[in-house]
Amino acid sequence: EVQLVETGGGLVQPGRSLKLSCVASGFTFSSYWMYWIRQAPGKGLEWVSSINTDGGSTYYPDSVKGRFTISRDNAENTVYLQMNSLRSEDTATYYCVTNFDYWGQGVMVTVSS
Amino acid sequence: DIQMTQSPSSMSASLGDRVTISCQASQDIGNNLIWFQQKPGKSPRPMIYYATNLANGVPSRFSGSRSGSDYSLTISSLESEDMADYHCLQYKQYPLTFGSGTKLEI
Repeated sequence: EVQLVETGGGLVQPGRSLKLSCVASGFTFSSYWMYWIRQAPGKGLEWVSSINTDGGSTYYPDSVKGRFTISRDNAENTVYLQMNSLRSEDTATYYCVTNFDYWGQGVMVTVSS
Repeated sequence: DIQMTQSPSSMSASLGDRVTISCQASQDIGNNLIWFQQKPGKSPRPMIYYATNLANGVPSRFSGSRSGSDYSLTISSLESEDMADYHCLQYKQYPLTFGSGTKLEI
């Protein structure tokens, strides 16, 4: 059974940093691209980042480029999202996703003073 | 960037109704579109891949179609369990973009 378990969310002040982790199991992690997708409260879905199988290629929308960094550790079956210079508009549930088939349960990030 | 214009933003329908939700792409995306269903408090679930292909385990009352730059998700006979939000996603090019979502109420 495929499982994606996100951790690391919480309440953080504007301008501070937070690092999300997503541990994968039930599939060959190193063979799949991974994605982070977020959803602000009561809003739609927004793609946040992508990473290829070996971590050598990453992609971001302009809204987070330069502030967020996606990375992966294939030995640990884990994908990360380092979020710096957080803003109130980054408040959302963050989902770890593989191939768009499987989604984690989501982790809430709240940016507020 | 490719804009995905999704309509309607919300709708109310009755059990047994035929329901159609649409997404219009601002540029050519081929069939590189996925439809997701999201129930309250849950993660999204893929329903239709590559614009027209039913995902595993999805009831046959769901279908996807394309006409030019217009993509549709149709539920042929609405059931109570279909109450949810529906989202489209284009993955033709970066940035990946979602439609704004449709809330389906019954």
